[in-house]
This record gives sequence, structure tokens and C-alpha cells, in this order.
Amino acid sequence: ELKVEQNPLFLSMQEGKNYTIYCNYSTTSDRLYWYRQDPGKSLESLFVLLSNGAVKQEGRLMASLDTKARLSTLHITAAVHDLSATYFCAVDIAGNQFYFGTGTSLTVIP
Amino acid sequence: NAGVMQNPRHLVRRRGQEARLRCSPMKGHSHVYWYRQLPEEGLKFMVYLQKENIIDESGMPKERFSAEFPKEGPSILRIQQVVRGDSAAYFCASSLVGRGNSPLHFGNGTRLTVT
Repeated sequence: ELKVEQNPLFLSMQEGKNYTIYCNYSTTSDRLYWYRQDPGKSLESLFVLLSNGAVKQEGRLMASLDTKARLSTLHITAAVHDLSATYFCAVDIAGNQFYFGTGTSLTVIP
Repeated sequence: NAGVMQNPRHLVRRRGQEARLRCSPMKGHSHVYWYRQLPEEGLKFMVYLQKENIIDESGMPKERFSAEFPKEGPSILRIQQVVRGDSAAYFCASSLVGRGNSPLHFGNGTRLTVT
């Protein structure tokens, strides 16, 4: 069974600091997605990474994909309170299932 | 353009009752996925459907759970004889194609509480 692991599971960081969330997966895939979920809300798509070496940036968030290492990273630059949420990576295998990681709960402290 | 619509948002059922969760995909989307999320956990795949067809139900419990996506109307996730362990948030997602370059679009979820 495919495993998608994120770390850390919980992250508390001060405003203005940088940090990286890691997403490892256990089988071959060339499609990886990052989502954001606010408490009690649905999932919002952040990034779609479709090939090895793909890098995408939106505001203070940057995502990358290394398919050979089976690793994706979500880098946070100069965190602000509005980024507090749970972040999920998801791997697309064979088009039928999107396997989600366990999520990283991010809290940005003023 | 309305997104993925799920109803009800909250559903309370007593043990042994039936729960019916509805999902209308985004306009033009013919692929529907159901996921379950337990508190403090990620999303677990349950079932993938296209119109009138179940494509992959490998994540669905063998008993009490069923799903359909009829030619007309919303997709329905049905849970018979609910138990406390069924309490969770159930999310529906849709996509334009089964495998493509676009992410899944999620509804706001139905939070099922079994008392």
C-alpha cells in the first residue's frame, strides 16, 4: 500500500521565520498536489506539481518535487499569521486515487 | 460557477439509523471521489465514481457502505446501520477528467455525528 508521510505533523513558528514541510511517498508518481485546510473547512488547492524538478511559487509558499527521491517540499518564507492552517500533500497513483499525507498543522505565532 | 456542493453540512444520526450524504460535482465534471477524514487525521480514499459507474471502491468498507452516481442527480454516499465509529467528516471531490493535470476540487464536507 502506498504511504505518504509528512513531517513535521505539528509546526509552531514565529512570524517572519522560514520553514520547510516535507512529504515523502513510497512508490513512483509524477503528480503531486498540495492543499490547505482551515479548521472546519474544505481543502483548497495550492499547487500542482507534474514532473521531476517542478517548482511552483505563490506568495510566501514555494513547492518543489523530486520524483527520484519521492520527495516534495513546501517552503514557507517569512511566515505570517494568515498561513496558519493544516497543509496536506497528495500523490496521484494511476489516476483513480489521490493518496493524502497525514497533514502538517501549522501555527504562526505573532 | 458553483463549486462542489455537499449536503447536509452536518448530520446527526443515532446508532442503527441510515445516513445519506449528497454531492453535486462542479458543472461539467463527471468524476466524483469520496473521502473520509477522522479528527486530526488526513483524508482516506473511499470510492471513485463516474456517471452510472463505480470505478474504484477499494477504500470502501465492505459492509453498510455504498455509493452511487446516477445519470441524473447528485452522487450519494449511503451508510446503513451507522455506528459511532462512522462519525467523521466526509468530503466529496470532483474532477474534469479521471487523470489529468488538474487537482481535485473539494466540497465543504458533511460532518456526520453518530450518537
